[in-house]
Amino acid sequence: NAGVTQTPKFQVLKTGQSMTLQCAQDMNHNSMYWYRQDPGMGLRLIYYSASEGTTDKGEVPNGYNVSRLNKREFSLRLESAAPSQTSVYFCASIRDRLSYEQYFGPGTRLTVT
Amino acid sequence: RKEVEQDPGPFNVPEGATVAFNCTYSNSASQSFFWYRQDCRKEPKLLMSVYSSGNEDGRFTAQLNRASQYISLLIRDSKLSDSATYLCVAEGASKIIFGSGTRLSIRP
Repeated sequence: NAGVTQTPKFQVLKTGQSMTLQCAQDMNHNSMYWYRQDPGMGLRLIYYSASEGTTDKGEVPNGYNVSRLNKREFSLRLESAAPSQTSVYFCASIRDRLSYEQYFGPGTRLTVT
Repeated sequence: RKEVEQDPGPFNVPEGATVAFNCTYSNSASQSFFWYRQDCRKEPKLLMSVYSSGNEDGRFTAQLNRASQYISLLIRDSKLSDSATYLCVAEGASKIIFGSGTRLSIRP
């Protein structure tokens, strides 16, 4: 099993450009999450999907959109990138909400200039 | 006040020492607690869940104190490979909150 995979690993965008971060898991997990991590700060939840077909806002959703394409895939879109969105983005999944043990992807390092 | 607070450290201890750090949480409705380990520029990985009765996994012991709303992590006989950032996590009402992490550096 590959676990949780993310693409791309690195990305540099100019202000105003758009892009989609991809995340996929092969563990048949129901819930998936997108976080951002900035220096000196913990992970902050952007959006999550409790199950296929549902998405909900987290702590810092502004400037982002998500799509839960199917049970495996959960993408994060930046419509108009801003320098404040420079961060490391992690995708995670959990099997179900009886156990909140999260499995993380390797992250995407995004720089917006 | 942050919902989950940790001392950022760094804790710099010699190999073989015992080190402990605490984490406090503000939401009394939190039900599940975890410690994650994060190596530099890598993703967090689950170290252990924290149960009400406390739990031990080899050199690692985690405890929960609901009355004072804190969890702790004790590492015995520390190894160089234990150098990492340790993230405390509290879950309640389907909300998962991460602390900012405590940096641990083990010196030879």
